[in-house]
Amino acid sequence: DVKVTQSSRYLVKRTGEKVFLECVQDMDHENMFWYRQDPGLGLRLIYFSYDVKMKEKGDIPEGYSVSREKKERFSLILESASTNQTSMYLCASCRGQATGELFFGEGSRLTVL
Amino acid sequence: GENVEQHPSTLSVQEGDSAVIKCTYSDSASNYFPWYKQELGKRPQLIIDIRSNVGEKKDQRIAVTLNKTAKHFSLHITETQPEDSAVYFCAASYGSARQLTFGSGTQLTVLP
Repeated sequence: DVKVTQSSRYLVKRTGEKVFLECVQDMDHENMFWYRQDPGLGLRLIYFSYDVKMKEKGDIPEGYSVSREKKERFSLILESASTNQTSMYLCASCRGQATGELFFGEGSRLTVL
Repeated sequence: GENVEQHPSTLSVQEGDSAVIKCTYSDSASNYFPWYKQELGKRPQLIIDIRSNVGEKKDQRIAVTLNKTAKHFSLHITETQPEDSAVYFCAASYGSARQLTFGSGTQLTVLP
């Protein structure tokens, strides 16, 4: 089974803090994604990466950056957290171009006070 | 870009009844339509998908239908069971997972 692991399930941060969300996958997938999940808005793509050190903006990249130094690890960074970034963050991965099936992590619930 | 609308946002059915969730999409180039199920506190998981070269696909109690002309697709769950209670997301893509656009989700509750 594909395993996508997000390092933190719950985080509480203060406005202005720098926040790192880590994601690791163990199936050698080329593509990795960060989504934000909010009630009534579904899953919105923040950033994705199709190779090491490669990244592309998704639909809502403002206020976020990412890092992919190794194939298995994709990090989401909030340089200066704000209250409107309080949300559930989901990491996902998939292989190549191919099936399109995404394998998700269990999510990181971030609260910014 | 693609826009996917999903209805209803909440749906309650009696155990054993059928449930239908509908999605419409805007980009006629979209050719891949997956459905994800997210149980409370769990990760979303793919339950069924359909590509634009077929009109219907079934997997046991779950089926998906696609109407390319009208640009809508639906998830049908028959003989619902309490374990079907979850949030269901539809999505549409015109290429790969990178271009996947999700609907807003439907909270399905199956009442015993």
